[in-house]
Amino acid sequence: DAKTTQPNSMESNEEEPVHLPCNHSTISGTDYIHWYRQLPSQGPEYVIHGLTSNVNNRMASLAIAEDRKSSTLILHRATLRDAAVYYCILRDGGSQGNLIFGKGTKLSVKP
Amino acid sequence: DAMVIQNPRYQVTQFGKPVTLSCSQTLNHNVMYWYQQKSSQAPKLLFHYYDKDFNNEADTPDNFQSRRPNTSFCFLDIRSPGLGDAAMYLCATSTAWGYRTDTQYFGPGTRLTVL
Repeated sequence: DAKTTQPNSMESNEEEPVHLPCNHSTISGTDYIHWYRQLPSQGPEYVIHGLTSNVNNRMASLAIAEDRKSSTLILHRATLRDAAVYYCILRDGGSQGNLIFGKGTKLSVKP
Repeated sequence: DAMVIQNPRYQVTQFGKPVTLSCSQTLNHNVMYWYQQKSSQAPKLLFHYYDKDFNNEADTPDNFQSRRPNTSFCFLDIRSPGLGDAAMYLCATSTAWGYRTDTQYFGPGTRLTVL
């Protein structure tokens, strides 16, 4: 399975944008890029996913590099509630279509 | 709201005493999953059900079993818990299995303590 690399931790100030990077240099042409986050003492929750084009939803934006070897999750205005571990996951479908969680990035948000 | 419910949120058991964790869903999803998450680690898939078809991950210990009596409910049975089985157990659901675009919906988890 293709792997992802994320920084262990990041800090942000409340109400400022946050850019969470993810490297996936061995991504295949059919892998989708998914992001989940896990708030303290909660189960993971889906954030966003994409293939090639940038994606926006009510939670975040996903910017995908043209060569698809990296992507960035963008929280436009961080709140204290966004403090969580953010996981970048590649999914290639079929029998290998599991969610395989890496170590993720722990985001801290300062008031 | 449609959701994934796990009971109890906290479970304490004794070394070697069988324990059952439960999960229910109101999403009417075909697939249900059980993950194990040890302290400061990422969730790790134990097994999943697609309808009534059970699929075990290759490295899931035999000590862990699962039952899915109907679409809504799924149980995780730990036959003889050891100290190493102390973890958060997460239940999740999805509409389909193996699709690159499907989303998994997680419950809040059950934190298991083994004394």
